[in-house]
Amino acid sequence: NAGVTQTPKFRILKIGQSMTLQCAQDMNHNYMYWYRQDPGMGLKLIYYSVGAGITDKGEVPNGYNVSRSTTEDFPLRLELAAPSQTSVYFCASSSDGLNQPQHFGDGTRLSIL
Amino acid sequence: DQQVKQNSPSLSVQEGRISILNCDYTNSMFDYFLWYKKYPAEGPTFLISISSIKDKNEDGRFTVFLNKSAKHLSLHIVPSQPGDSAVYFCAASVVVTDKLIFGTGTRLQVFP
Repeated sequence: NAGVTQTPKFRILKIGQSMTLQCAQDMNHNYMYWYRQDPGMGLKLIYYSVGAGITDKGEVPNGYNVSRSTTEDFPLRLELAAPSQTSVYFCASSSDGLNQPQHFGDGTRLSIL
Repeated sequence: DQQVKQNSPSLSVQEGRISILNCDYTNSMFDYFLWYKKYPAEGPTFLISISSIKDKNEDGRFTVFLNKSAKHLSLHIVPSQPGDSAVYFCAASVVVTDKLIFGTGTRLQVFP
């Protein structure tokens, strides 16, 4: 009964390094989302996907890339890490867009130093 | 431009009493509203939602009220329990856009 699984839970990166945040869901959901949450702020949508092979930008996509080659996986790529990308990242999924609630993973806490 | 606002960063309520969490929005196109609850080191979990065609939705101890003319919604928790202590996020969407806009959250503390 895993739901949405995010790895890693914590990561420290140096400026300019790259990394991929992994997200996997086992609920056969079509919709998947990536959010970031900065201290004292709400969640802001980075990218989302309505199905395999389809992705679209959210509110704050700059500095990130995504792909959706399978229904289960939705990795988020940081190519050139910057201190402004220090945040907690949440992945979520839902079966049918916003007519169904989103199920969230437990987050990845990322620090860029 | 914060389209969804939770103006109270924190709220402290005694166990057994009512907790009222408030949320204001600016976009009159929003037609679906949700509340999420978040414990430390965990992801948000869905609590309750309401469509703009309704003004009230109830689920056990949780009730959400929507006042479209005032662009205001509230979450009532009765009776409040210590396990309700968490951060509560209000979120809103225009359903056809598939995007949720979150408020900044209200930290609720329920004390004995």
